[in-house]
Amino acid sequence: AQSVTQLGSHVSVSEGALVLLRCNYSSSVPPYLFWYVQYPNQGLQLLLKYTSAATLVKGINGFEAEFKKSETSFHLTKPSAHMSDAAEYFCAVKFSGGYNKLIFGAGTRLAVHP
Amino acid sequence: DTAVSQTPKYLVTQMGNDKSIKCEQNLGHDTMYWYKQDSKKFLKIMFSYNNKELIINETVPNRFSPKSPDKAHLNLHINSLELGDSAVYFCASSQGRVAGASEQYFGPGTRLTVT
Repeated sequence: AQSVTQLGSHVSVSEGALVLLRCNYSSSVPPYLFWYVQYPNQGLQLLLKYTSAATLVKGINGFEAEFKKSETSFHLTKPSAHMSDAAEYFCAVKFSGGYNKLIFGAGTRLAVHP
Repeated sequence: DTAVSQTPKYLVTQMGNDKSIKCEQNLGHDTMYWYKQDSKKFLKIMFSYNNKELIINETVPNRFSPKSPDKAHLNLHINSLELGDSAVYFCASSQGRVAGASEQYFGPGTRLTVT
């Protein structure tokens, strides 16, 4: 079955440290992949998306993600965490064929401490 | 200018009542969605409309009825509210009905609390 998994429901880093949030999908055909961020009591904001044009995708706020077909992964990274990065992060996929339906991972809460 | 707006932002009501949530987008998109986010932050699609046509209808109780008067508006009516309906409901919009790279833009959410 097609699915998306985010490893780690909570990730805590120090300010200035590397941020790594993991996302794996299950599909025989590479899907379209997205990372969204949700700040407290707000809606979801798109960070970046994978459209098969390039495997390394750069997004807003210094985030980037690399698509690795062999590992069916699309992990999100940021070299240096800021306090303002504390939020919930969601990986989402749209599988080929059918309608424009996003399937979300369970989310990863990122905490950044001084 | 708000791209995707929802009203109300908060909704507190009692079991058994009927309530509606409204959504409007000014992005010129032709497809709109309703998602439900539960208390564990899990997001799941409920419905999608493309040019006023219902194209996605997930396994949702028929107490939930979406309506799209035009492609810029998508409302959600809920009959006979139950405690389990308490959640945050997000509206979203995008361009295009088939799976592709077009991203979805989300509204700020409506927090529904059923007591």
